[in-house]
Amino acid sequence: DGGITQSPKYLFRKEGQNVTLSCEQNLNHDAMYWYRQDPGQGLRLIYYSQIVNDFQKGDIAEGYSVSREKKESFPLTVTSAQKNPTAFYLCASSPTSDREAFFGQGTRLTVV
Amino acid sequence: GENVGLHLPTLSVQEGDNSIINCAYSNSASDYFIWYKQESGKGPQFIIDIRSNMDKRQGQRVTVLLNKTVKHLSLQIAATQPGDSAVYFCAERVGNTPLVFGKGTRLSVIA
Repeated sequence: DGGITQSPKYLFRKEGQNVTLSCEQNLNHDAMYWYRQDPGQGLRLIYYSQIVNDFQKGDIAEGYSVSREKKESFPLTVTSAQKNPTAFYLCASSPTSDREAFFGQGTRLTVV
Repeated sequence: GENVGLHLPTLSVQEGDNSIINCAYSNSASDYFIWYKQESGKGPQFIIDIRSNMDKRQGQRVTVLLNKTVKHLSLQIAATQPGDSAVYFCAERVGNTPLVFGKGTRLSVIA
C-alpha cells in the first residue's frame, strides 16, 4: 500500500556513534522533509529536498546530514557532532513543494 | 524568522460540544496554512488546509477560518468526540518554502 515508511520505529545508540534513519515513500512525491520533535514541542526543520539530487539545510541542520539519490528515499544521518540527538524524528513528503505534506510514523531515537 | 504560534496550549471540551483551536501567525507573506492532528507516538495527520485567497474551508466535521487582517487561523471541530483527543498543530508556508509549525494545542475531550 502507498505511503511514507520510516524505520526503525525505535532506535537506541551509544553516544559518539553515527546513526542513519530511513525514510521511503512510494507516492511519487517530489519533495521530502526531515523534522525533529522534542517533548511538548512543535516540529523543527532539519533538512529538505525539493527534487532528487538536491537538498537544503533547515533551521537546525548542524550535526545532521542527508542524501537524495533516489526520488523515493531521503535518509537522515545523525552524526556524533549533534549535541542532543535524543528526539522523535519525522519524515514527510509532498507532491510538490507548494502542496500539503504527509508524514511517516516517526523514529524515536534514544542516545545513551 | 517569523513563527506560527498558538493562543492556548491546552483545551478541554465536553464530548458533543464544538471545539475551537486558535493560531496566530506573524508572517504576512504566508499564503498557505495547514492543520495537523498528532496522536501520542504517531506522526502528524493532515486535517485540512486553506490558501490565502480563501477565508473559510469546510471538511467533514471540521472548518478552518482564516482572518488575514489580524493574521489569525482557527480550526473548528463540530460535535467533538473522544477520538478527537490529540495535539493539534497549525503550520504556515510562503510559496514553496517548507512548512513552519507552531508549538501545538492539546485537546482533551471529556466524556
